[in-house]
Amino acid sequence: TQLLEQSPQFLSIQEGENLTVYCNSSSVFSSLQWYRQEPGEGPVLLVTVVTGGEVKKLKRLTFQFGDARKDSSLHITAAQPGDTGLYLCAGGMWGAQKLVFGQGTRLTINP
Amino acid sequence: EPEVTQTPSHQVTQMGQEVILRCVPISNHLYFYWYRQILGQKVEFLVSFYNNEISEKSEIFDDQFSVERPDGSNFTLKIRSTKLEDSAMYFCASSGQGADSPLHFGNGTRLTVT
Repeated sequence: TQLLEQSPQFLSIQEGENLTVYCNSSSVFSSLQWYRQEPGEGPVLLVTVVTGGEVKKLKRLTFQFGDARKDSSLHITAAQPGDTGLYLCAGGMWGAQKLVFGQGTRLTINP
Repeated sequence: EPEVTQTPSHQVTQMGQEVILRCVPISNHLYFYWYRQILGQKVEFLVSFYNNEISEKSEIFDDQFSVERPDGSNFTLKIRSTKLEDSAMYFCASSGQGADSPLHFGNGTRLTVT
C-alpha cells in the first residue's frame, strides 16, 4: 500500500515568514501533484512534478520532487494571508490511474 | 474556464437507501474518477472510468457501488444500499489522459447517511 505522509499537519505563522511543507513516502511515484483545497470545494491543482529532482516555481511557491521520487516539498516565501488553506500532495503511479493523497497540511497565515 | 459540476451539493439519506450522485465532467476529457473524503481523513480513490468501462477500482469500491456514463455528458456514482460509514464528501474528477495529467475536481457532494 502506497502512503504519503505530510508534515506538518497544521502550521500557523505570521505574514511575511517563509515555510516549507513536506510530503514523504517509502514508495516511488511517477509524479507528484500539489493541490489546494478551500472549505466546501474540491481540490484545485497547483503543480505537477514528474522528473526526479525537478523544481518548479509558481510565484512565491517553490515545489521540489525528490531525486528518488519518494518525496516532495512545497516552500512558500513571504507568506500572505491569501495563502491560508489546506494543501494536499498526491502521488501518481506507473500503470495506474489513481492518485494517492496525503492527509493535508492546514496552513494559516496570520496578518 | 471549463469546470466539473456535481449535483446535489448535499444529500441526506437513510441507511439502506439507494443514492445516485451526479457529475458532469469537462467535455473533452477522457478519464473520469470518483474520490471520497471522510470528514477529517484523506482523499481516497474509489474508481476510474475510461472508454465506457471501469479501468481501475479500489478495495472500497465493492458490489454496493457502481458507475455509469448514461449519455455523453453525465457520469454517475450509485450506492445501492447506503451504510452509515458511507457518509463522506464524494468528489468527481476528470482528466485528459490519465493519472499524470491534471485532475480537475468538482466541488463535491456531501452525503450524510442517517
